[in-house]
Amino acid sequence: EVQLVESGGGLVQPGGSLRLSCAASGFTFSTYWMHWVRQAPGKGLVWVSRINYDGSSTAYADSVKGRFTISRDNAKNTLYLQMNSLRAEDMAVHYCAGTRGYNDGFDIWGQGTMVTVSS
Amino acid sequence: SYELTQPLSVSVALGQTASITCGGNNIGSKTVHWYQQKPGQAPVLVIYRDVNRPSGIPERFSGSNSGNTATLTISRAQAGDEADYYCQVWDSSTGVFGGGTSLTVL
Repeated sequence: EVQLVESGGGLVQPGGSLRLSCAASGFTFSTYWMHWVRQAPGKGLVWVSRINYDGSSTAYADSVKGRFTISRDNAKNTLYLQMNSLRAEDMAVHYCAGTRGYNDGFDIWGQGTMVTVSS
Repeated sequence: SYELTQPLSVSVALGQTASITCGGNNIGSKTVHWYQQKPGQAPVLVIYRDVNRPSGIPERFSGSNSGNTATLTISRAQAGDEADYYCQVWDSSTGVFGGGTSLTVL
Protein backbone atom coordinates (compact mmCIF):
# COMPACT_ATOMS: atom_id res chain seq x y z
CA GLU A 1 0.00 0.00 0.00
CA VAL A 2 1.29 3.42 -0.98
CA GLN A 3 1.56 5.47 2.19
CA LEU A 4 2.96 8.71 3.61
CA VAL A 5 2.86 9.14 7.39
CA GLU A 6 3.70 12.52 8.93
CA SER A 7 4.83 13.07 12.50
CA GLY A 8 6.38 15.78 14.64
CA GLY A 9 3.55 18.27 14.84
CA GLY A 10 2.43 19.81 18.09
CA LEU A 11 2.19 22.95 20.17
CA VAL A 12 5.07 25.42 20.02
CA GLN A 13 5.51 29.00 21.21
CA PRO A 14 6.02 31.85 18.74
CA GLY A 15 9.67 31.96 17.77
CA GLY A 16 10.11 28.26 18.49
CA SER A 17 11.13 25.35 16.28
CA LEU A 18 9.71 22.03 15.15
CA ARG A 19 10.93 19.27 12.87
CA LEU A 20 8.33 17.42 10.85
CA SER A 21 9.00 13.97 9.40
CA CYS A 22 7.21 12.05 6.67
CA ALA A 23 7.81 8.32 6.34
CA ALA A 24 7.14 6.81 2.91
CA SER A 25 6.30 3.23 2.05
CA GLY A 26 4.79 1.20 -0.78
CA PHE A 27 6.47 3.10 -3.61
CA THR A 28 9.97 4.02 -4.80
CA PHE A 29 10.53 7.12 -2.69
CA SER A 30 13.78 8.08 -4.44
CA THR A 31 12.00 8.56 -7.77
CA TYR A 32 9.50 11.11 -6.44
CA TRP A 33 9.80 14.84 -5.94
CA MET A 34 8.49 15.55 -2.45
CA HIS A 35 6.64 18.55 -1.06
CA TRP A 36 5.06 20.09 1.99
CA VAL A 37 1.60 21.63 1.62
CA ARG A 38 -0.27 23.23 4.51
CA GLN A 39 -3.84 24.19 5.34
CA ALA A 40 -4.79 26.60 8.10
CA PRO A 41 -8.05 25.76 9.93
CA GLY A 42 -11.00 26.46 7.63
CA LYS A 43 -8.75 27.76 4.86
CA GLY A 44 -7.39 26.54 1.54
CA LEU A 45 -4.31 24.62 0.50
CA VAL A 46 -0.97 26.41 0.36
CA TRP A 47 2.22 24.99 -1.13
CA VAL A 48 5.19 25.37 1.23
CA SER A 49 8.28 23.71 -0.18
CA ARG A 50 9.63 21.04 -2.53
CA ILE A 51 12.73 18.93 -2.99
CA ASN A 52 13.81 16.97 -6.05
CA TYR A 53 14.65 13.27 -6.28
CA ASP A 54 18.10 13.36 -4.76
CA GLY A 55 17.86 16.50 -2.64
CA SER A 56 20.08 18.60 -4.90
CA SER A 57 17.35 21.17 -5.61
CA THR A 58 14.88 22.84 -3.24
CA ALA A 59 12.33 25.64 -3.43
CA TYR A 60 10.24 27.53 -0.87
CA ALA A 61 7.21 29.76 -0.69
CA ASP A 62 8.16 33.36 0.09
CA SER A 63 6.30 33.14 3.40
CA VAL A 64 8.70 30.51 4.78
CA LYS A 65 11.94 31.27 2.91
CA GLY A 66 14.84 31.63 5.33
CA ARG A 67 12.90 30.02 8.19
CA PHE A 68 12.08 26.52 6.90
CA THR A 69 14.43 23.88 5.47
CA ILE A 70 13.29 20.83 3.52
CA SER A 71 15.47 17.74 3.29
CA ARG A 72 15.21 14.04 2.56
CA ASP A 73 16.98 10.77 3.38
CA ASN A 74 16.37 8.31 0.56
CA ALA A 75 18.05 5.51 2.51
CA LYS A 76 15.42 5.94 5.21
CA ASN A 77 12.54 6.80 2.82
CA THR A 78 11.88 9.90 4.88
CA LEU A 79 11.16 13.56 4.15
CA TYR A 80 11.78 16.32 6.68
CA LEU A 81 10.79 19.93 7.29
CA GLN A 82 12.79 21.92 9.81
CA MET A 83 10.65 24.85 10.91
CA ASN A 84 12.34 27.72 12.77
CA SER A 85 11.14 31.12 13.98
CA LEU A 86 7.56 29.92 13.94
CA ARG A 87 4.77 32.48 13.74
CA ALA A 88 1.05 32.39 14.45
CA GLU A 89 0.39 32.33 10.70
CA ASP A 90 2.30 29.03 10.40
CA MET A 91 -0.43 27.29 12.39
CA ALA A 92 -1.91 24.68 10.05
CA VAL A 93 -2.19 21.04 9.14
CA HIS A 94 1.00 20.24 7.27
CA TYR A 95 0.76 17.55 4.59
CA CYS A 96 3.63 15.85 2.84
CA ALA A 97 2.86 15.01 -0.77
CA GLY A 98 4.65 13.51 -3.74
CA THR A 99 4.82 14.21 -7.47
CA ARG A 100 6.33 11.98 -10.14
CA GLY A 101 8.28 14.88 -11.55
CA TYR A 102 8.50 18.60 -12.06
CA ASN A 103 5.15 20.09 -13.16
CA ASP A 104 3.16 17.01 -12.13
CA GLY A 105 0.20 16.83 -9.78
CA PHE A 106 0.41 15.63 -6.18
CA ASP A 107 -0.65 12.01 -6.54
CA ILE A 108 0.38 10.82 -3.08
CA TRP A 109 -0.65 12.58 0.15
CA GLY A 110 -0.12 11.91 3.83
CA GLN A 111 -2.86 12.36 6.42
CA GLY A 112 -1.28 15.55 7.76
CA THR A 113 0.16 16.69 11.08
CA MET A 114 -1.09 19.73 12.97
CA VAL A 115 1.27 22.53 13.97
CA THR A 116 -0.10 24.90 16.60
CA VAL A 117 1.77 28.12 17.34
CA SER A 118 0.59 29.77 20.50
CA SER A 119 1.90 31.17 23.76
CA SER B 1 3.12 36.22 -8.18
CA TYR B 2 0.70 34.10 -10.16
CA GLU B 3 -2.87 33.88 -8.88
CA LEU B 4 -5.72 31.42 -9.48
CA THR B 5 -9.34 32.44 -8.98
CA GLN B 6 -12.13 29.97 -8.18
CA PRO B 7 -15.77 30.60 -7.23
CA LEU B 8 -16.36 30.11 -3.51
CA SER B 9 -19.27 27.76 -4.08
CA VAL B 10 -21.09 25.86 -6.79
CA SER B 11 -24.38 24.00 -6.49
CA VAL B 12 -25.65 21.20 -8.71
CA ALA B 13 -28.79 19.09 -8.73
CA LEU B 14 -28.35 15.38 -8.18
CA GLY B 15 -27.62 13.71 -11.51
CA GLN B 16 -26.84 16.95 -13.31
CA THR B 17 -23.52 18.43 -14.48
CA ALA B 18 -21.34 20.73 -12.38
CA SER B 19 -18.64 22.98 -13.78
CA ILE B 20 -15.97 24.50 -11.53
CA THR B 21 -13.79 27.17 -13.10
CA CYS B 22 -10.23 28.22 -12.33
CA GLY B 23 -9.13 31.56 -13.73
CA GLY B 24 -5.58 32.73 -14.27
CA ASN B 25 -3.61 34.91 -16.67
CA ASN B 26 -3.04 32.79 -19.79
CA ILE B 27 -3.63 29.65 -17.74
CA GLY B 28 -4.00 27.76 -21.01
CA SER B 29 -0.22 27.89 -21.34
CA LYS B 30 0.19 26.09 -18.01
CA THR B 31 -0.58 22.57 -16.83
CA VAL B 32 -3.51 22.39 -14.41
CA HIS B 33 -4.20 19.78 -11.76
CA TRP B 34 -7.42 19.36 -9.75
CA TYR B 35 -7.95 17.98 -6.24
CA GLN B 36 -10.99 16.88 -4.27
CA GLN B 37 -10.96 17.28 -0.49
CA LYS B 38 -13.67 15.98 1.82
CA PRO B 39 -13.96 17.19 5.43
CA GLY B 40 -11.23 15.84 7.69
CA GLN B 41 -9.43 14.12 4.83
CA ALA B 42 -6.34 14.74 2.75
CA PRO B 43 -6.82 15.99 -0.80
CA VAL B 44 -7.11 13.50 -3.67
CA LEU B 45 -5.88 14.15 -7.21
CA VAL B 46 -8.84 13.86 -9.61
CA ILE B 47 -7.45 15.43 -12.81
CA TYR B 48 -3.79 15.87 -13.77
CA ARG B 49 -2.18 17.67 -16.71
CA ASP B 50 -5.43 19.40 -17.67
CA VAL B 51 -7.44 16.40 -18.87
CA ASN B 52 -6.13 13.13 -17.41
CA ARG B 53 -7.83 11.00 -14.75
CA PRO B 54 -5.75 8.98 -12.28
CA SER B 55 -6.58 5.34 -11.83
CA GLY B 56 -9.73 4.93 -9.75
CA ILE B 57 -11.26 8.31 -10.59
CA PRO B 58 -14.65 7.92 -12.31
CA GLU B 59 -15.05 8.92 -15.96
CA ARG B 60 -17.65 11.43 -14.74
CA PHE B 61 -14.73 13.72 -13.87
CA SER B 62 -13.18 15.61 -16.78
CA GLY B 63 -11.05 18.69 -17.32
CA SER B 64 -10.28 21.32 -19.92
CA ASN B 65 -7.92 24.28 -20.13
CA SER B 66 -7.82 27.13 -22.62
CA GLY B 67 -7.17 30.85 -22.65
CA ASN B 68 -7.64 32.29 -19.19
CA THR B 69 -9.86 29.54 -17.75
CA ALA B 70 -9.48 25.91 -16.77
CA THR B 71 -12.61 23.92 -15.95
CA LEU B 72 -13.37 20.81 -13.94
CA THR B 73 -16.59 19.16 -15.05
CA ILE B 74 -18.45 16.58 -12.98
CA SER B 75 -21.18 14.76 -14.90
CA ARG B 76 -24.10 12.93 -13.31
CA ALA B 77 -23.27 14.45 -9.94
CA GLN B 78 -23.68 12.21 -6.91
CA ALA B 79 -24.05 12.99 -3.22
CA GLY B 80 -20.57 11.61 -2.68
CA ASP B 81 -19.12 14.33 -4.92
CA GLU B 82 -19.85 16.98 -2.26
CA ALA B 83 -16.43 18.33 -1.34
CA ASP B 84 -14.01 21.20 -1.76
CA TYR B 85 -12.21 21.30 -5.10
CA TYR B 86 -8.87 23.02 -5.73
CA CYS B 87 -7.04 23.78 -8.96
CA GLN B 88 -3.23 23.96 -8.94
CA VAL B 89 -0.42 24.96 -11.29
CA TRP B 90 3.35 25.34 -11.15
CA ASP B 91 4.76 28.83 -11.71
CA SER B 92 8.53 29.35 -11.69
CA SER B 93 9.13 26.28 -9.50
CA THR B 94 6.45 27.46 -7.07
CA GLY B 95 3.22 25.63 -6.43
CA VAL B 96 0.07 27.75 -6.68
CA PHE B 97 -3.40 26.66 -5.53
CA GLY B 98 -6.71 28.29 -6.23
CA GLY B 99 -8.74 29.34 -3.21
CA GLY B 100 -11.03 26.32 -3.49
CA THR B 101 -14.65 25.78 -4.45
CA SER B 102 -17.23 24.13 -2.22
CA LEU B 103 -19.50 21.88 -4.28
CA THR B 104 -23.01 21.24 -2.97
CA VAL B 105 -25.16 18.50 -4.50
CA LEU B 106 -28.84 19.34 -4.04
